[in-house]
Amino acid sequence: GEDVEQSLFLSVREGDSSVINCTYTDSSSTYLYWYKQEPGAGLQLLTYIFSNMDMKQDQRLTVLLNKKDKHLSLRIADTQTGDSAIYFCAESIGSNYQLIWGAGTKLIIKP
Amino acid sequence: KAGVTQTPRYLIKTRGQQVTLSCSPISGHRSVSWYQQTPGQGLQFLFEYFSETQRNKGNFPGRFSGRQFSNSRSEMNVSTLELGDSALYLCASSRGEDIQYFGAGTRLSVL
Repeated sequence: GEDVEQSLFLSVREGDSSVINCTYTDSSSTYLYWYKQEPGAGLQLLTYIFSNMDMKQDQRLTVLLNKKDKHLSLRIADTQTGDSAIYFCAESIGSNYQLIWGAGTKLIIKP
Repeated sequence: KAGVTQTPRYLIKTRGQQVTLSCSPISGHRSVSWYQQTPGQGLQFLFEYFSETQRNKGNFPGRFSGRQFSNSRSEMNVSTLELGDSALYLCASSRGEDIQYFGAGTRLSVL
């Protein structure tokens, strides 16, 4: 079945780059997403990538997609305290409109 | 453009009661999806509506139901509430086959 996996925690120093990784199992993914959730809040769409792309850059965010290894990563350059949140990776599959979610990676920023 | 609006933001109910949650999608979006988020199970898909028709359904009991109106607003109903239904319920809207944008969620506590 479909599955999306992420590590649960990532700790980085303020100003460094953060790289959050995700693996998925379904090769028929159409979109792959990164959402951000701050405490007590809903899900904020950070960025997404079509399955036929390898890379997407948006200001401090870089998404890399390796379809062969079914690996997705999100790089946040110059990580700030405001980046502290849980980051969810998700995939949508074919004509099935539901999203399959990872468990979320909690990003912890050290001063 | 206004985002996805969910009401109410917080609800407290007792076991056995029923509850109705509301979601107003982004203007022009015809698809509304509902998700349940709990610490133990993470994010799980409930169902998705498009043009007043349920297109897809997750693995939840029949106590969970939904509907969509002609103006694309959607409601979700949970009958005979159980303690385990305590969760953050998230609604997402999209044009139909693309990016999903989320509301802030409704936090339901069942006592």
